[in-house]
Amino acid sequence: DAKTTQPPSMDCAEGRAANLPCNHSTISGNEYVYWYRQIHSQGPQYIIHGLKNNETNEMASLIITEDRKSSTLILPHATLRDTAVYYCIVKANFNKFYFGSGTKLNVKP
Amino acid sequence: NAGVTQTPKFRILKIGQSMTLQCTQDMNHNYMYWYRQDPGMGLKLIYYSVGAGITDKGEVPNGYNVSRSTTEDFPLRLELAAPSQTSVYFCASSYEGGPTSEQYFGPGTRLTVT
Repeated sequence: DAKTTQPPSMDCAEGRAANLPCNHSTISGNEYVYWYRQIHSQGPQYIIHGLKNNETNEMASLIITEDRKSSTLILPHATLRDTAVYYCIVKANFNKFYFGSGTKLNVKP
Repeated sequence: NAGVTQTPKFRILKIGQSMTLQCTQDMNHNYMYWYRQDPGMGLKLIYYSVGAGITDKGEVPNGYNVSRSTTEDFPLRLELAAPSQTSVYFCASSYEGGPTSEQYFGPGTRLTVT
């Protein structure tokens, strides 16, 4: 199963776009890219997922490169409430859902 | 819908004691999971269930047991608690197990074994 690599932390100014990168160079053709976030030790919260096309929902946008070896989660207008640990996960099956250490996003006023 | 609920929120156990962590979901999801999260780390899968009466081991099952007698409930049993089981435990559920099915998480149970 593919594993992911994320920077341990990032800063973003409030109101600006937050772009969180993720490398998944060993991703398989049937594995989806998922993003979750965890706010202050609460249960992880689903954000978005995609296979190869870019995806957008009310929370965020997901940009997946054409070779699928990396992706970027975009929070278009970050707020202080978006301060959290963001996890990038590649998933092919329900019991292959590996959470790494994630990226701690600090949104600053 | 309440989603996924867990009880208790906090618990302190002495070494060798036993306890059951409760998890209930009201979304009629077939799949349920238990994860543990150690400080500063990601989540690790302990056990999962694909339906009532069916359970299987995840990545770190040693020291735990589960049962799934109903669709709604998926309790996690700790026998002979050890300090290494100090962690935050999350229960999750999903409607199906395919690659497009997201998991919904409960608020967690913070367990300390001393």
